[in-house]
Amino acid sequence: TQLLEQSPQFLSIQEGENLTVYCNSSSVFSSLQWYRQEPGEGPVLLVTVVTGGEVKKLKRLTFQFGDARKDSSLHITAAQPGDTGLYLCAGAKEYGNKLVFGAGTILRVKS
Amino acid sequence: NAGVTQTPKFQVLKTGQSMTLQCAQDMNHNSMYWYRQDPGMGLRLIYYSASEGTTDKGEVPNGYNVSRLNKREFSLRLESAAPSQTSVYFCAAKVAKTREKLFFGSGTQLSVL
Repeated sequence: TQLLEQSPQFLSIQEGENLTVYCNSSSVFSSLQWYRQEPGEGPVLLVTVVTGGEVKKLKRLTFQFGDARKDSSLHITAAQPGDTGLYLCAGAKEYGNKLVFGAGTILRVKS
Repeated sequence: NAGVTQTPKFQVLKTGQSMTLQCAQDMNHNSMYWYRQDPGMGLRLIYYSASEGTTDKGEVPNGYNVSRLNKREFSLRLESAAPSQTSVYFCAAKVAKTREKLFFGSGTQLSVL
């Protein structure tokens, strides 16, 4: 059983469309991170959210941490083929503790 | 500045063979981690080392051993490989002063036949 549930598992969209990826848990996390992974490479950190209700923007990507710090979402506006990859959320129960990863969402953006 | 370097990139083993996956980081980070990644299961922590001289089990430690040789190097050993250990293995290092920020290597794809 995954401690962090990501949905959808797979998403295939056309260039220019918007999308949202969800990361849900019944546990409270002190922080939550989003990583992006390309084939043959390791995950690369996109953002860390720490405060309940926090919203962070990274160009066309908007990240939100739920008020209760149990869930998070990643919204991409006007997706581009370069956004294609595996998106992973990861939560930490307390500062310095191990990270728990979700199973990931595979995003494919077609031109 | 290479960050986190893993070797080898690919490896094929027969059941029962042993091997060591090497990991080195040049960022002077205190904490290092070994994860395995399987389809549909995300990244699962095998072992980690919070600092030089210490190691602890993660979520899936059975069948593995680790050595934190010094601050730079953290190796993962499979003593008797099994097909269930076919996976992609990632080493990661953490910046101690940054909240749980992990830097990953590019992975080792291991097949056990």
